[in-house]
Amino acid sequence: KAGVTQTPRYLIKTRGQQVTLSCSPISGHRSVSWYQQTPGQGLQFLFEYFSETQRNKGNFPGRFSGRQFSNSRSEMNVSTLELGDSALYLCASSLVSGGAGEQFFGPGTRLTVL
Amino acid sequence: GQNIDQPTEMTATEGAIVQINCTYQTSGFNGLFWYQQHAGEAPTFLSYNVLDGLEEKGRFSSFLSRSKGYSYLLLKELQMKDSASYLCAVRGSGGGNKLTFGTGTQLKVEL
Repeated sequence: KAGVTQTPRYLIKTRGQQVTLSCSPISGHRSVSWYQQTPGQGLQFLFEYFSETQRNKGNFPGRFSGRQFSNSRSEMNVSTLELGDSALYLCASSLVSGGAGEQFFGPGTRLTVL
Repeated sequence: GQNIDQPTEMTATEGAIVQINCTYQTSGFNGLFWYQQHAGEAPTFLSYNVLDGLEEKGRFSSFLSRSKGYSYLLLKELQMKDSASYLCAVRGSGGGNKLTFGTGTQLKVEL
């Protein structure tokens, strides 16, 4: 069974640009969550999508948005990039939303904003 | 708000036992998770506790006390490959898969 895949693995952008990251969950998984990981703040929750609906949202500005498609693949978009957006962006897939459902993380997309 | 505390670093000897503590204050509680993350890799799931008590899984055990807002991860028979960051994460009352993570405990296993 293939794991969670994220594309691209590395991105370099400049301030003010926008970026779209993609996450393909494990086959059959309907929940996709996004996290930002930085050395200072650790892992911070961005949002969760389940069956194409945003289920939960973290405390990030509106520049961060996401969506989920009918095949459960998810994208997140960051507009008007800032230097502080440089981070590892991880997505995690789960069979269900809530319960004891284990979340499986992808390898992440390393975003560098210059 | 949510607050999760765990030690920043720990060092232990190969073959020994180490306990990594995690305390939390959250608005509501709906489960506590432990993840392992090796440098440059994605976090991998270790354990899940929602009721008080000890959950054992091979060399790893996790304990939860909801009244104390406290959990620990116990690693036995330490191996060099256990050198990694250990992340404590809590799911609050919002449900779903929204997890609040601690900043992680960097464990170094020495010979």
